[in-house]
Amino acid sequence: DAGVTQSPTHLIKTRGQHVTLRCSPISGHKSVSWYQQVLGQGPQFIFQYYEKEERGRGNFPDRFSARQFPNYSSELNVNALLLGDSALYLCASSFSGISTDTQYFGPGTRLTVL
Amino acid sequence: AQKITQTQPGMFVQEKEAVTLDCTYDTSDQSYGLFWYKQPSSGEMIFLIYQGSYDEQNATEGRYSLNFQKARKSANLVISASQLGDSAMYFCAMTRGANTDKLIFGTGTRLQVFP
Repeated sequence: DAGVTQSPTHLIKTRGQHVTLRCSPISGHKSVSWYQQVLGQGPQFIFQYYEKEERGRGNFPDRFSARQFPNYSSELNVNALLLGDSALYLCASSFSGISTDTQYFGPGTRLTVL
Repeated sequence: AQKITQTQPGMFVQEKEAVTLDCTYDTSDQSYGLFWYKQPSSGEMIFLIYQGSYDEQNATEGRYSLNFQKARKSANLVISASQLGDSAMYFCAMTRGANTDKLIFGTGTRLQVFP
């Protein structure tokens, strides 16, 4: 079975631009979460979506937004990019999005902002 | 506030030896989950093992076991018979409550296995 997939794998943008990252969960998983991992740190939670509804939001500015589609895939959008947005963006999926569920991660999208 | 602490920035172990990676957590919740993930240089986070706060027995998954000491709020990962392919970053993480799987991660430990 296919794991979590993310696209693109790498992305280079300039300050002020907008970016859209995409994620497809494991088949049958209804919850998708997004994390930002800056070099040398652990991942930081950005959003969780379950059944197209936002279930949680981390401490990120409104420039970050996300949505989940009827097929449970998800997009993360970041507007007005800053140099500090350079990071690895990880998507994870789980079956029901509760605390005892295991999240499985995709390979990530490495975003560089110049 | 919840917090995960990993005090070992780096660890070295010889192939075939066992190694323990430390993790302590801080929470006032009664219900929570504890996870360990491995992150090779490629960047993907690989799930290793899970322990629920109400589980009485320590979790085991193949060569991985979780030494869960609830009173001390510690959840150390033990890797037995280390292999060269175990060289990677290891993250301890936790969830809280019931209706979310939001993970709070520690800063990680870099494990290097040498021949």
